[in-house]
Amino acid sequence: ILNVEQSPQSLHVQEGDSTNFTCSFPSSNFYALHWYRWETAKSPEALFVMTLNGDEKKKGRISATLNTKEGYSYLYIKGSQPEDSATYLCAFPSSNTGKLIFGQGTTLQVKP
Amino acid sequence: DVKVTQSSRYLVKRTGEKVFLECVQDMDHENMFWYRQDPGLGLRLIYFSYDVKMKEKGDIPEGYSVSREKKERFSLILESASTNQTSMYLCASSSPAQVRRYEQYFGPGTRLTVT
Repeated sequence: ILNVEQSPQSLHVQEGDSTNFTCSFPSSNFYALHWYRWETAKSPEALFVMTLNGDEKKKGRISATLNTKEGYSYLYIKGSQPEDSATYLCAFPSSNTGKLIFGQGTTLQVKP
Repeated sequence: DVKVTQSSRYLVKRTGEKVFLECVQDMDHENMFWYRQDPGLGLRLIYFSYDVKMKEKGDIPEGYSVSREKKERFSLILESASTNQTSMYLCASSSPAQVRRYEQYFGPGTRLTVT
C-alpha cells in the first residue's frame, strides 16, 4: 500500500518567520511529486509538480526541493505572511492512471 | 483558465434520499475524480474515471456510485444518503497530456449535510 506522509500536521508561526514542512513518499516507481495549497473556502490549487531528482522549484517566497532516491520533498516558506495560512498537501501519482495519493496535509497558521 | 464547476456549494438532504452531485470541466480532460474531505482524514478518493463510461473504485467507494456519460461531466450518486456521508465533496480533473503531468484541477466543493 502506497503511503504519503506529511509533517508536521499543523504549524503556528508569527508573520515574518520562515518555515518548512516535509513530505515522505515511496521512492520506487516514481512519476512525480505534487504540492497543493488549499486555502479556507477555496479549492486546492497546485503549487509545484516536480519530476526530477534534485529538482528545486520556486514561486515567490515559496520553494520546494525533491529527493527521489530517499523519497522526500521539503516545502519552504520564507518570511511567512498571513495570506500564506492554508493547508499544504503533497501528492504522489500511484501509477500511470493519474490517480494521486494525497498526504494528510500540513495546516499553517500565520499570526500577524 | 481551467474551470471545474460543481452543481451546488451547499446541500442539505434527509437520510435515505438519493443524492446527485454533478461536476463539469471545460478542459477536455480525460481523468475525473471524486474526493471527500473530513477533518483529520485528508482527501480520500471515492471514485475516478479515466474515460467516458470508464470508472474505477477509489479508497472509499462504499455507499456511492458514479456516472460518466460525457467526457466533461462526472456525477457522484449517493443511492441512499446516510448521516456518515455528511462531508465536503470535491471534484477534480486532469490529463496525461498536460505539461505538469497529472496536475489536478479542483472544483469549489459541495458541503453536504445529511440529517
